[in-house]
Amino acid sequence: EVQLVESGGGLVQPGGSLRLSCAASGFTFRSYWMHWVRQAPGKGLIWVSRIGSDGSSTDYADFVKGRFTVSRDNAKSTLYLQMNSLRAEDTAVYYCAKFTYSYDTSGRRALRYFDSWGQGTLVTVSS
Amino acid sequence: DIQMTQSPSSLSASVGDRVTITCRASQTITSYLNWYQQKPGRAPKLLIYGTSSLQSGVPSRFSGSGSGTDFTLTIRSLQPEDFATYFCQQTYNIPYTFGQGTKLEIK
Repeated sequence: EVQLVESGGGLVQPGGSLRLSCAASGFTFRSYWMHWVRQAPGKGLIWVSRIGSDGSSTDYADFVKGRFTVSRDNAKSTLYLQMNSLRAEDTAVYYCAKFTYSYDTSGRRALRYFDSWGQGTLVTVSS
Repeated sequence: DIQMTQSPSSLSASVGDRVTITCRASQTITSYLNWYQQKPGRAPKLLIYGTSSLQSGVPSRFSGSGSGTDFTLTIRSLQPEDFATYFCQQTYNIPYTFGQGTKLEIK
C-alpha cells in the first residue's frame, strides 16, 4: 500500500524558515516524480513544486520561486520542501503527492495524474 | 498559466440524484484533466484521470467526459458518502492548476 507521511509543519514567524518532509513507502520512490500542493484554510488546491525522479529536474510556482527549494533523498525514500522567507500568505496545509505518468490501453494517449497524497502538514506563518 | 473554472461553485442535491459538475480550461488541455474528491480535514482523493479513466476502487457511478477545453464529472445516483468538494486539475502544462472546487451538499 502506498503511504506518504508529511511532517515538519508548525508555527513560524514571518521571514522564518521550515523544512517539510514526506516519507514514502509502498512503491519504488526513486522511479516517480513527486509534487507539493498546498491549500490555505477554507480555500482551493494550489500547485507548489515538483521534482524529477532522480532529483535533477525541479519546477516551482512563481509565488515561491527563490524562496522554496524541493529536494529528495531516494536512499531514504523521502521528499523535502525547504521553505525560507516565509510570509503570512504561505499559511496552508502542504501535501506531497505521487505523480504517475502512463498510457491508456491503446498506448496512444498519455495520462498524468496525482494518484496518492499524504495527509498534509499545516504551516502557519504568524507573529 | 492555464485557468480552470468549475461550475457551479456549490450544489445541493439529494441521495439518488444525478449531478454534473463542469470544468472549463482557458486553453486546450487535450485530455489532461483529472478529478479529485476531498472531504473535510482529509487529503484529496483521485477519482478520474485522463478525462474519463476511473481510478481503481472508485465506484462506477462516477464518470468523466470531455476534451479540449470543456469537461464534466457526472455522479449517477448520489450516495451519502459522495457529499464532498470536487476539484478538477489540468496536467497539460506546468503549473498544474486546479479548479476552485465545487462543494456538493445534501439538500
